[in-house]
Amino acid sequence: KAGVTQTPRYLIKTRGQQVTLSCSPISGHRSVSWYQQTPGQGLQFLFEYFSETQRNKGNFPGRFSGRQFSNSRSEMNVSTLELGDSALYLCASSLFQGGDIQYFGAGTRLSVL
Amino acid sequence: KQEVTQIPAALSVPEGENLVLNCSFTDSAIYNLQWFRQDPGKGLTSLLLIQSSQREQTSGRLNASLDKSSGRSTLYIAASQPGDSATYLCAPFTGNQFYFGTGTSLTVIP
Repeated sequence: KAGVTQTPRYLIKTRGQQVTLSCSPISGHRSVSWYQQTPGQGLQFLFEYFSETQRNKGNFPGRFSGRQFSNSRSEMNVSTLELGDSALYLCASSLFQGGDIQYFGAGTRLSVL
Repeated sequence: KQEVTQIPAALSVPEGENLVLNCSFTDSAIYNLQWFRQDPGKGLTSLLLIQSSQREQTSGRLNASLDKSSGRSTLYIAASQPGDSATYLCAPFTGNQFYFGTGTSLTVIP
């Protein structure tokens, strides 16, 4: 069974640009969660999608948004990039919504110059 | 807001030692708690998930305990191996999200 796939693996952008990251969950998993990992703040929850609906949201500004498609694939978008958005963005899939075993992808490393 | 602390931040042990990693959290109203390992430059791998009604969960050489009322969990690793070298994170689930600790970086010396 294929694992969680995140694309692209690495990304370099400049301030003010926008970026879209993609996450394909394990087949059969309907929940996708997104996390931001930085050396200073650690791992922080961004949002969770289940059955194409955002179910929970972390404490991030509205520049961070996401969506989930009918095949459970998910995208995360960050608009008007800031230097502080440089981070490893991880997505995790699970069978059920909320509190289930999380299966993580390898992440997308975003650098904002 | 849930605050999660992991002690020690870093640990270096010789191969074969048994060791304990500690995790404490401020809000005891949790549904479950997961332990993960993260290898450099990679995503996280779930090791164990303990439900709030459980006291212990075991998988191979790993044993995790949970004392919900005191806001503590421990991960016990028996007979450590160099392949256990990684960062270990705990994450209690409060009903809306997992809150992650800052992790314990473990190095097992051959």
